[in-house]
Amino acid sequence: GENVEQHPSTLSVQEGDSAVIKCTYSDSASNYFPWYKQELGKGPQLIIDIRSNVGEKKDQRIAVTLNKTAKHFSLHITETQPEDSAVYFCAAKRTGNQFYFGTGTSLTVIP
Amino acid sequence: EAGVVQSPRYKIIEKKQPVAFWCNPISGHNTLYWYRQNLGQGPELLIRYENEEAVDDSQLPKDRFSAERLKGVDSTLKIQPAELGDSAVYLCASSFAGQIQETQYFGPGTRLLVL
Repeated sequence: GENVEQHPSTLSVQEGDSAVIKCTYSDSASNYFPWYKQELGKGPQLIIDIRSNVGEKKDQRIAVTLNKTAKHFSLHITETQPEDSAVYFCAAKRTGNQFYFGTGTSLTVIP
Repeated sequence: EAGVVQSPRYKIIEKKQPVAFWCNPISGHNTLYWYRQNLGQGPELLIRYENEEAVDDSQLPKDRFSAERLKGVDSTLKIQPAELGDSAVYLCASSFAGQIQETQYFGPGTRLLVL
């Protein structure tokens, strides 16, 4: 099966700085890579996703990049705000299969 | 549009007791997932349904866990008997398989504490 590794496990940044979270995957057939934000006491919420035929995708302050050759993808958050503080999970999936999740990154944005 | 609904939100039971969780997916979603999330970890799949059929239950501890999805809509996950190690958050998610991007939506989860 797929193995997804996520780093770092914790990340603290000053408000306004950028945050980068990285994930690697093992199954070259994986073709869909979502990122989820989970706030305390809530279920994960999709914030951005990317398919394997795209190298980069942006949505306002959030961007995801994918390197299929190296089998890694990253979440970039610019101009961080205190409300960005949460746990972020990456996931990988191939068509018809289940989602495999990383172990999560706890992001703290310091005002 | 209503999201994925789960109940109860919290449950405290003593070990060896039974417990059941209920999930109502987003209307029209044919795929339903049950996950277990331990503290500080990502969700781990327990079972995945496509319509009424369980297509992936390889990680469901079948000696004590059972699940059903009658009529391909609501689903129930049961643990009998519960053990201390079952304390976790149980998440339900749904999606529509067949889309180019199978976007998955999660419910708020049920937090289970086994004493």
